Amino acid sequence: SAVISQKPSRDICQRGTSLTIQCQVDSQVTMMFWYRQQPGQSLTLIATANQGSEATYESGFVIDKFPISRPNLTFSTLTVSNLSPEDSSIYLCSVRQGASYGYTFGSGTRLTVV
Amino acid sequence: QQPVQSPQAVILREGEDAVINCSSSKALYSVHWYRQKHGEAPVFLMILLKGGEQKGHDKISASFNEKKQQSSLYLTASQLSYSGTYFCGTDNSGNTPLVFGKGTRLSVIA
Repeated sequence: SAVISQKPSRDICQRGTSLTIQCQVDSQVTMMFWYRQQPGQSLTLIATANQGSEATYESGFVIDKFPISRPNLTFSTLTVSNLSPEDSSIYLCSVRQGASYGYTFGSGTRLTVV
Repeated sequence: QQPVQSPQAVILREGEDAVINCSSSKALYSVHWYRQKHGEAPVFLMILLKGGEQKGHDKISASFNEKKQQSSLYLTASQLSYSGTYFCGTDNSGNTPLVFGKGTRLSVIA
């Protein structure tokens, strides 16, 4: 299965600033997903990032707040913009290598907004 | 639509068995099961594709009833290492991203 390097692992940010999270995959994958997980909660899909096309956002998530870059088949970034304390959460990228395969997750980014 | 998991939490003694259920109101292409330990990312356990199959490895197995849109995860002779939160994730078509249930917190005690 794919191996994902996700950075940073954690960060503390000021209100109104932005944080960019990077995910590097050791193999080419078509589908990459960004999830958010509040402590003790389930995983909520933010968007699907496919190379060469605009990301597809889920209800409640907008591109201005969560811009996503997918320049090639091994790399993606998620930016969380104009941070507020409500954005404090864990952000996870994940990939799937085919319809019959499970998801592989990055190690997560724990964001705290102060 | 988020699948419904039950129970929300369960406490087991080592060696006991547990069943975690996952149900959906929509037709499913596949059901995934993941385990997440505290402070770590979810780890893939198994995938069940439509066709009504059962899978297993070691003492963890799962079934998928396509007609009922339900899946169950079976943990037998539980070990301390089984502790964590178990999530099912459902996929309606094979091309849609997973939607995860709220999770089942499993605690195995000595």
